[in-house]
Amino acid sequence: EAGVTQSPTHLIKTRGQQATLRCSPISGHTSVYWYQQALGLGLQFLLWYDEGEERNRGNFPPRFSGRQFPNYSSELNVNALELEDSALYLCASSLWRFEQYFGPGTRLTVT
Amino acid sequence: AQSVSQHNHHVILSEAASLELGCNYSYGGTVNLFWYVQYPGQHLQLLLKYFSGDPLVKGIKGFEAEFIKSKFSFNLRKPSVQWSDTAEYFCAVISGGYQKVTFGTGTKLQVIP
Repeated sequence: EAGVTQSPTHLIKTRGQQATLRCSPISGHTSVYWYQQALGLGLQFLLWYDEGEERNRGNFPPRFSGRQFPNYSSELNVNALELEDSALYLCASSLWRFEQYFGPGTRLTVT
Repeated sequence: AQSVSQHNHHVILSEAASLELGCNYSYGGTVNLFWYVQYPGQHLQLLLKYFSGDPLVKGIKGFEAEFIKSKFSFNLRKPSVQWSDTAEYFCAVISGGYQKVTFGTGTKLQVIP
């Protein structure tokens, strides 16, 4: 069974630009979660999508947004990038609120 | 607001020592509880989970955790650690309804051979 995949592996952007990160969940999983893992801050919950709907979001500004497609894959968009957005962005998938399976992450560097 | 506390940020143990990592959460209703592990250079993996039933949960690689509802705790234990247990450990809580999934800040475990 294929795991959660994320692309790209690394992304380098300059301040003010937009970044788009992608996630493909495990087949059959309907929920996708996005997290930001910044150095020393642990995992910060960003967004939760289920069945195409945004179910909840963490304490992040509106320039962090996303969507879930009919095939349950998901996209995270970060607009107006700031230096402090540099982090590892993790995607996880699950069946409703059961255990989450994580992808390898996308390392975003903002210069 | 829901929160998860992992009080030990960095733990150093010798091989064969016993391990207990603390996890406390703040939510009064029904919760699902998890421990995840992130080995160096690898992505997060589920160690064990608690949904209901027996409060003593056994996971992979000899780990176990005990849910104590009265203390809002879900501590992770292992009787005898190995060098290969060197990793970062995260406690997580999912509470009822459309609540956020909340992770603790993680505990880095270093096992010295």
